[in-house]
Parts: sequence; C-alpha cells; structure tokens
Amino acid sequence: GAVVSQHPSWVICKSGTSVKIECRSLDFQATTMFWYRQFPKQSLMLMATSNEGSKATYEQGVEKDKFLINHASLTLSTLTVTSAHPEDSSFYICSAPYKVNTEAFFGQGTRLTVV
Amino acid sequence: SQQGEEDPQALSIQEGENATMNCSYKTSINNLQWYRQNSGRGLVHLILIRSNEREKHSGRLRVTLDTSKKSSSLLITASRAADTASYFCATLGKQAGTALIFGKGTTLSVSS
Repeated sequence: GAVVSQHPSWVICKSGTSVKIECRSLDFQATTMFWYRQFPKQSLMLMATSNEGSKATYEQGVEKDKFLINHASLTLSTLTVTSAHPEDSSFYICSAPYKVNTEAFFGQGTRLTVV
Repeated sequence: SQQGEEDPQALSIQEGENATMNCSYKTSINNLQWYRQNSGRGLVHLILIRSNEREKHSGRLRVTLDTSKKSSSLLITASRAADTASYFCATLGKQAGTALIFGKGTTLSVSS
C-alpha cells in the first residue's frame, strides 16, 4: 500500500533556531500534501495545504512566514519552523491523499521540542 | 479548522464491555474516517465510510453514518486493554483536493 515517510520522528532544538521536517510519498506521486499540528491532549489541526510547484495555502491563524512550506517535487514536501520558540513545541504530522474514497496516508509524525 | 464535536471526550470502561463514541460534523462530506492514536504516536486508520453508506463493519468495529443528522458513531465491541487510545473521526469534503478535518476526539481507557 501507499506509504508516507516523515523525518525526523523527533527533534529538540534551541529557541531561535530553525527546524526542517520532511514528508515523502514513497510509492506514489502527491501533488498535494497536508500539514497538521497537534498539541498535547488535543486534536489534529490543519495548518496548511502544500501544492507541488506553487505556493502553500495556510489556514487562518497560521503564520506563513514562520511555517515555511516547500513542495518542490511530486514526492517531497518540507515544513520549516523558523525562529522556533517553546510555544512551537508540538507534534507535526503530514498526510498525502492517494485516491478519493480511500484512506488518507499519514507520516509517522515529528515531535518538536523547543528549549 | 475543526469539523465538529465528538462525545464523550473521555470514556472509561472495563475489558469486555462495549465502547461507543459519537461524532458530529457540520458540512457535506465525501466520506468519514475513524482513526486511533496511541499516546504520543502516529495515527492508525480504522475504517472509512462513504457518504452513501449507512453502516460498516470491520472486525470488532462497527461504524454508522447518518448524513441527515451529520453524525457518525463508532462502536468497539468486547473491548480490550489494548484498545486504550484516543479515537478521532475525520471528514473529507466533497471538493477535490481538500484535507481531512478532524474532530476533537474521544479518549478511551479500558481497564483489565
């Protein structure tokens, strides 16, 4: 079945630094990928839609300059958390749709801790 | 953005009992999916029900969908301690290229 790989699975960084998270579709092409954020004991909130070859679409309240999304190829989308602060500590997870009316495929998630 | 509510927010039962979780949503959907998440881990897809379906079964899972009420339920029969997790419903809109939108989730605790 279709697989989405996300890397790294966890990262600890210092305040003010930037962190890049990769999301790859391993055996299918994904013109669209989605990025979610999940705070402890909460649900997944859609952050942005990543579109291959064009600008990402951000949900209301998500700072596009802070969360940079690049979808340079049909199998790779990256999320860069710039100038990270402790409040950015969260679980970030990507997904790529495979076919309509089939399950969505999710990466393993990245736990970001900013110290 | 979140699609809707799930209830209960938390559910504690004994092994062998059934667990029922409900999900409501707000907009027209293409399908509705249920996921499980163990603490701090990734998502596990459980079941998908299309908008033209009313009920679906998979092992100990039974899902219903009522599009007129914009609601769904997930029933786990004969629960086990290993079923302890958070359960989320997620809806896919009718427009092509839209993302799954998740409900707030139900935390299920099954004690042995």
